[in-house]
This record gives sequence, structure tokens and C-alpha cells, in this order.
Amino acid sequence: QSLLTQPPSASGTPGQRVTISCSGSRFDIGTNTVNWYQQLPGTAPKLLIYSNNQRPSGVPDRFSGSKSGTSASLAISGLQSDDEADYYCATWDDSLNGWVFGGGTKLTVL
Amino acid sequence: EVQLVESGGGLVQPGGSLRVSCEASGFTFSTYAMNWVRQAPGKGLEWVSYISSSSSTMYYAASVKGRFTISRDNAKNSLSLQMNSLRDEDTAVYYCVRVTHGSRFDTWGQGTLVTVSS
Repeated sequence: QSLLTQPPSASGTPGQRVTISCSGSRFDIGTNTVNWYQQLPGTAPKLLIYSNNQRPSGVPDRFSGSKSGTSASLAISGLQSDDEADYYCATWDDSLNGWVFGGGTKLTVL
Repeated sequence: EVQLVESGGGLVQPGGSLRVSCEASGFTFSTYAMNWVRQAPGKGLEWVSYISSSSSTMYYAASVKGRFTISRDNAKNSLSLQMNSLRDEDTAVYYCVRVTHGSRFDTWGQGTLVTVSS
């Protein structure tokens, strides 16, 4: 099963802005919207961003998403210690007839 | 409160079978598509299977196609995953996930651990 490509790790200091990339193909990101999920340690994932750049109710506006061509990005500004988590991008893959996730990015707040 | 509660995980030998279930509450279950997503220990998320609200459409990941069967009972607000011919690599936490607007995985259960080992 194909995976979207994410960097395995990212880091920043409190207050900084970090971005996490997600790369795919014309069959997945190139054709469909991207969602992002946050998984805090020991918990189930949570929807963070949907439809490329929309935030569910309750998600702070420090989190933002974007998409261009076959790539997407998640940006977190004003980094906080409780942002330490794993972040996953996901989208539908037209060639697989199923969803694909990125491999996940572990964010460390230094 | 919208809630999904999985059950049925456990230890099973390679080649064996197991059925995991998910009980939904706090929303009109029959109007939502559902998914199973799994996560192997220390690994990332992997989508497993999808079922539409009326059970008319089902999809499976290539890694489980022919071995796993997804089903639902809207009268009982329940979702199930029948897993046959289990392999070591099926060891994972299995999450029940609600789908909205076609692709948003907006509600996740707490997961149930399936361990395949001799």
C-alpha cells in the first residue's frame, strides 16, 4: 500500500513556527483533499485539519494547512509544549480505491 | 456525546480468526460511513476497510483483501471486522472511525489491540 511521504521528525522551540510536508502523486493529493491528524502520546488520533485548510471546531488557529499540486503542508505557529505529538496526513487514492496515510512526523518541542 | 467503543481484541495464533466490534452512541449511526484503521506497535496509521452507511459499498486495503470482512448492523449501532487467516503483521491496535463529508475521519474510538503470535 502506497504511503504519502512525510519527514519522520520535526522540532522547534516554544513560540516558533514549524511546517510539516506531505508529498504524494496525481492519484492522491493531486486529485483529492488532504486531512491532517494529530496523535498525542498514548491516545487515539484526532482530526486536526480537513479539506486541505479547514479547522474543526475547537482546533486553535495556530494550526493551518495548505495544498499545492501533489504536496500539502501543515504549519504550526506559536509552538507549545503540548503540541508534541505525531502528525499524519491522509487522502483518498483513486488508483488504490482506498485511503492512504503519510508515515507520520514526530514533532518535538525543545 | 459522540462515542465509539471497540471490543474483541486479544491474542490469536497465526492462521487463526478474530472478530472485533465497535459500538456507536451519541449520533445517528445509520447515516454515517465507517472505517477501520490500524496501527502496529510503534508504527504509523494504516487504513484497513470502509463501509458505507447502508452497507452497499465496501473497500479494503490490499494487505487485508480476501481475509477481512467489514459489516455493520444499523439496528444495533454496531460495526464489525471479521479477520481470518491472521498473520504476524496484522498485530496492531484497531480503531473504529466515523467518516463525514466523504473523507473526514472525525471521530475515533480508543482502539482494541489484536496480537497475532504463536
